[in-house]
Amino acid sequence: DAKTTQPPSMDCAEGRAANLPCNHSTISGNEYVYWYRQIHSQGPQYIIHGLKNNETNEMASLIITEDRKSSTLILPHATLRDTAVYYCIVRVYNAGNMLTFGGGTRLMVKP
Amino acid sequence: EAGVAQSPRYKIIEKRQSVAFWCNPISGHATLYWYQQILGQGPKLLIQFQNNGVVDDSQLPKDRFSAERLKGVDSTLKIQPAKLEDSAVYLCASSLGLGSGTQYFGPGTRLLVL
Repeated sequence: DAKTTQPPSMDCAEGRAANLPCNHSTISGNEYVYWYRQIHSQGPQYIIHGLKNNETNEMASLIITEDRKSSTLILPHATLRDTAVYYCIVRVYNAGNMLTFGGGTRLMVKP
Repeated sequence: EAGVAQSPRYKIIEKRQSVAFWCNPISGHATLYWYQQILGQGPKLLIQFQNNGVVDDSQLPKDRFSAERLKGVDSTLKIQPAKLEDSAVYLCASSLGLGSGTQYFGPGTRLLVL
């Protein structure tokens, strides 16, 4: 799997959009971008994934640049419950390989 | 739908003792994973099962760690003997199949080795 680079920490004001960046400059054409988050004392939780088109679900939006070398996870209206470590992972879809977690970004949502 | 269940939630043992963790995946999920998460780091995969067969155990320290999923449902991860550096959270996850990147994680077992 290609490696990812994320800032170690970010702050966001409650109610504002949280934009979490991820660099994956060595991503291959068949690798998807996955985002997971881990709230304190819980297991990781799947958020969203995408290949090259922007994706949106009830939790977040994923914006992938045209060259696919970077992406941004957007939480449109961050709440205190969104305080967590967010992991960006690239992975070949429909393959038997595992998810490789890096250090992630620790997002702190402040009132 | 019930999530991934793990027990115990917490365990404290002394070094050189043995310990076992149990995981019950989401019903119908063929693939089961065990991860180790050391404080401040992301989870690291230890072993991956597809039904009752091992798909990948390349990161499992086989001299002291073992895991089984005999009937293709529940799984047990064992450490014998434990070392201080085994202190970590042990996470179990499951997915519908090998191809799925969407994994569902349990709450984890927090192990402290003294």
